[in-house]
Amino acid sequence: DVKVTQSSRYLVKRTGEKVFLECVQDMDHENMFWYRQDPGLGLRLIYFSYDVKMKEKGDIPEGYSVSREKKERFSLILESASTNQTSMYLCASSFLTSGNLRRDTQYFGPGTRLTVL
Amino acid sequence: AQTVTQSQPEMSVQEAETVTLSCTYDTSESDYYLFWYKQPPSRQMILVIRQEAYKQQNATENRFSVNFQKAAKSFSLKISDSQLGDAAMYFCAYRSRFGNEKLTFGTGTRLTIIP
Repeated sequence: DVKVTQSSRYLVKRTGEKVFLECVQDMDHENMFWYRQDPGLGLRLIYFSYDVKMKEKGDIPEGYSVSREKKERFSLILESASTNQTSMYLCASSFLTSGNLRRDTQYFGPGTRLTVL
Repeated sequence: AQTVTQSQPEMSVQEAETVTLSCTYDTSESDYYLFWYKQPPSRQMILVIRQEAYKQQNATENRFSVNFQKAAKSFSLKISDSQLGDAAMYFCAYRSRFGNEKLTFGTGTRLTIIP
């Protein structure tokens, strides 16, 4: 089974702190994604990466950065946390598009509930 | 840009009955994929069912089936013989077939199963 793990289920940080959210997948997936989930807004893509050291902005990248130094690990960084970044953060991974839709499925981690005080 | 709309924030159904969750989307593309994801209270999002836009046949996975109406840009999910384990948030999602591989999600429908 595909396993996507996230470093913390719950995290509480102070305004202005630098925050690292880690995601690791064990299926040799090329693609990795960071989403933010808020009630009434669904999931919104923050950043994604299709290869080591490659990244692309999603729909809401402001206030975030990412790092992908190894294929299995994708980090989301909040340089200076703010209260409006209190949210649920979901990581996902998938194979690079192969034309086979079953192979392209995104697999999600359990999420990190971040509270910024 | 593509948008996905789920107009039912909450739904409930009696156990063993059938329920349909609605999803509409807006796109100028002719070739794309549509998905329904389920997020149980434990928060791990899992794929329920997928549909390729170029296939006219509606996808089916056991008790889950879709009604895909391409012209109307509608993609509803039908759950038959509802079970307590079906209680979850359900998200409809869109993905272009070519280029960018990101998913665009709707706002979700919370489904409650009444014993």
